[in-house]
Amino acid sequence: NAGVTQTPKFQVLKTGQSMTLQCAQDMNHNSMYWYRQDPGMGLRLIYYSASEGTTDKGEVPNGYNVSRLNKREFSLRLESAAPSQTSVYFCASSDAAGLYSYEQYFGPGTRLTVT
Amino acid sequence: DQQVKQNSPSLSVQEGRISILNCDYTNSMFDYFLWYKKYPAEGPTFLISISSIKDKNEDGRFTVFLNKSAKHLSLHIVPSQPGDSAVYFCAASVWGGSEKLVFGKGTKLTVNP
Repeated sequence: NAGVTQTPKFQVLKTGQSMTLQCAQDMNHNSMYWYRQDPGMGLRLIYYSASEGTTDKGEVPNGYNVSRLNKREFSLRLESAAPSQTSVYFCASSDAAGLYSYEQYFGPGTRLTVT
Repeated sequence: DQQVKQNSPSLSVQEGRISILNCDYTNSMFDYFLWYKKYPAEGPTFLISISSIKDKNEDGRFTVFLNKSAKHLSLHIVPSQPGDSAVYFCAASVWGGSEKLVFGKGTKLTVNP
């Protein structure tokens, strides 16, 4: 049981390049999330998916697209990377499933640098 | 507008003493609150939570207190240990809503031996 996995762990891009961050969970959770963490800014929600086939914008969606490929996988795409997208990206999943808990489980993160 | 505020960016305490981390919120619709701990180069991990029907929840050395009238919660760690040194995030949600969490900016706790 690996929990939430993310690939790659590190990436350096040049301005204008594109890339996709991959995320997978093996906990059979319905909901998945993408966050970015910047120094002094906490965790900010980029996009989330409440169930397979649905996605919604979070607090900072500009410059990103997402795909909920199936129940396990949720990818984040940067179509044209900008230096402002230099950050650490975290994927998370959760499933309230009738329990009184909104605990989210996080992956180890992807550290992205855009030059 | 920040809905969840952690006004202390850092806190330093001695091993064995109590650590108190504070969090304030502005959205009166929030009714479920969580604390996460984050070590460098790792993802955040869930620590403890509390619903608005309670004013206290304990789990071992960790206790969360909720003051709804003041829109304030705090995390107490007793006794503090060097392994508790990490960034602590407060998060809030609306139960029955979208399961989205709103996070504070975090407080870096350092426990000195």
